[in-house]
Amino acid sequence: GQNIDQPTEMTATEGAIVQINCTYQTSGFNGLFWYQQHAGEAPTFLSYNVLDGLEEKGRFSSFLSRSKGYSYLLLKELQMKDSASYLCAVLDSNYQLIWGAGTKLIIKP
Amino acid sequence: DAMVIQNPRYQVTQFGKPVTLSCSQTLNHNVMYWYQQKSSQAPKLLFHYYDKDFNNEADTPDNFQSRRPNTSFCFLDIRSPGLGDAAMYLCATSRPRTGVDEQYFGPGTRLTVT
Repeated sequence: GQNIDQPTEMTATEGAIVQINCTYQTSGFNGLFWYQQHAGEAPTFLSYNVLDGLEEKGRFSSFLSRSKGYSYLLLKELQMKDSASYLCAVLDSNYQLIWGAGTKLIIKP
Repeated sequence: DAMVIQNPRYQVTQFGKPVTLSCSQTLNHNVMYWYQQKSSQAPKLLFHYYDKDFNNEADTPDNFQSRRPNTSFCFLDIRSPGLGDAAMYLCATSRPRTGVDEQYFGPGTRLTVT
């Protein structure tokens, strides 16, 4: 079966750094996405990795290791508005998005 | 500026009373998706259209139907809503297999079944 695992919930402090991990087992791989979803709203695109390594985009970075079936999303200089769920999703061999259940990130002042 | 529009944003229906949710897009994307998302769960793909080609997920209940009359519009029909169908319904679009091929989501319709 296909499976995406990520922690259910994480807590961090405003101004700090947090790393959200994602491991996956899918039939084929055509890239990994990270989406941000605020409560009651639709997911919004954060990043896409298809090659191994780190992609940096402002305060957010995403890392991929295809051999390990592993990715992380790194958030720096945390702000209160970063409180949201972060969903990891993998595009499989049929170009279907397989979603994780999301990691709820709570930011404390 | 809105790119993927869903109406209504909030829908209340009675148990067993048919309901239709709508989605429109101004992106001219070939692919449109309908997802069901319940609280603290991953979005669950119900259907997707690749142009006019309809793709039904194997575990999507028969109670759910979809129509795509043209590139811009897509509808989700729930023929006899049950209490378990209360959820957020998300419409998304994408370009087919070009570059990043990210999905663009509408704001969602939150369905309540009474």
